Amino acid sequence: SQKIEQNSEALNIQEGKTATLTCNYTNYSPAYLQWYRQDPGRGPVFLLLIRENEKEKRKERLKVTFDTTLKQSLFHITASQPADSATYLCALPSGGGADGLTFGKGTHLIIQP
Amino acid sequence: GAGVSQTPSNKVTEKGKYVELRCDPISGHTALYWYRQSLGQGPEFLIYFQGTGAADDSGLPNDRFFAVRPEGSVSTLKIQRTERGDSAVYLCASSPQTGAGYTFGSGTRLTVV
Repeated sequence: SQKIEQNSEALNIQEGKTATLTCNYTNYSPAYLQWYRQDPGRGPVFLLLIRENEKEKRKERLKVTFDTTLKQSLFHITASQPADSATYLCALPSGGGADGLTFGKGTHLIIQP
Repeated sequence: GAGVSQTPSNKVTEKGKYVELRCDPISGHTALYWYRQSLGQGPEFLIYFQGTGAADDSGLPNDRFFAVRPEGSVSTLKIQRTERGDSAVYLCASSPQTGAGYTFGSGTRLTVV
């Protein structure tokens, strides 16, 4: 089965700077990778999906990269704002015939004014 | 509806009791997923429906857990003989197709006392 590593320690970033979050996975390379945002007491919210043949994807202030050689995805938030503070989850297809996603534990991002 | 609706939002039950958790997905979404999330962890896959059928139930922890989706829309997750270890947030998600981003509900927080 797939294993995902995300930085479990909270990431503190000053407002206006770029926040970079890391997602590393083991085992096979997935066909795609997804990023979600989760606020306390709420379900995750889908942000971006990047496919294995895409090196980079952007959406407004968000940018995701996907390096299948390093088995790593980077998630960037540019011009960060306090409202970006949340937990960010990386998710990959579970593989092995299973249809669900395997989620990482998430990284708690804190943007300080 | 506009989003995925889960009821109840909170459920406290005694050990050994039976509980049902309901999920009303986005209209037209054929794929429906149940996940379980414990504090500080990412969502853990339980079961996936494509239409009315359970296409993948490999994540159900044991035979006390069962889910149905009789008409291809609303789904119910059923837990028999609840144990304290079942306490978690149960999340439901739907998507228009496999491989697309999920829309999650806000979850049902189950507490077994």
